[in-house]
Amino acid sequence: QSVLTQPPSASGTPGQRVTISCSGSSSNIGTNFVYWYQQLPGAAPKLLIYRNSERPPGVPDRFAGSKSGTSASLAISGLRSEDEAAYYCSAWDDSLTASVFGTGTEVTVL
Amino acid sequence: QLQLQESGPGLVKPSETLSLTCTVSRGSITSTDYCWGWIRQPPGKGLEWLGIVYYGGNTYYNPSVKSRITISIDTSTRQFSLKLTSVSAADTAVYYCARQKCDDYTLYGIDIWGQGTTVAVSS
Repeated sequence: QSVLTQPPSASGTPGQRVTISCSGSSSNIGTNFVYWYQQLPGAAPKLLIYRNSERPPGVPDRFAGSKSGTSASLAISGLRSEDEAAYYCSAWDDSLTASVFGTGTEVTVL
Repeated sequence: QLQLQESGPGLVKPSETLSLTCTVSRGSITSTDYCWGWIRQPPGKGLEWLGIVYYGGNTYYNPSVKSRITISIDTSTRQFSLKLTSVSAADTAVYYCARQKCDDYTLYGIDIWGQGTTVAVSS
C-alpha cells in the first residue's frame, strides 16, 4: 500500500537524460526529506540520494535529486547501460509514523 | 565498513511465526545516530518498510503489520531480530535487515543493507 507514487517504467538511449517522479503528500514529502535508492537486478538496494539532493560518496554526479512541495524527482543524465535498475523514493510519514517507499520505477537503457 | 547479515529459516508454514536475526559486524550497534530495521520485497514487487528498533529498545512499525510484528535488539550479541506472527503466503518475500539513520522523532535514510534472505510461506 505505497503512499508514494512513481511511474512504473522509464527508458532512454545511452547518453540521454531520464527523470523519475515521486508524488506524495503533506505528511511525507511535503515536510520531510526524500531519499532515493537504486536496486540492480538480484541485488540489495543502495542509497543513491539523501536529504532530497545529496549524494553519498561514490555516487556519480550524473544522479541528481530535487524536491518541490509534495513531489520529488530523480534525474539521471548521461544514461549508461549500468543504470538499468529499479529506483525507489522514500520518506518519513508523520501521519503513519513510518517510513514509506514509492511504488518503484524500472529504468531501461535502450 | 559496517556489515549486516540476515539468518533464519527459508521456509515457514502458514499461521506460524517467521523469525529472522540480523548480525552486525565491523561496527557499533549502540550508536544513538542509527536505528536497526527490516524491509521486505515480495517476488517481482516493490519494497515494503516493516519497522525499526532503537538501540534502547523503542520501536516504530508499519501500520499494515503492526498487530503481528515485533522487532527487538540484543546489544550483547550485536544482533537484532524480526518476529512476524500468523504468516500467510502474502508474507513470502526477500527480507532485508538494514541500518537507518534516526533521531528521537524521525527516521532518515537507510545507508547500509544486508544481502537479503528469502522466506517462503508454504505448507
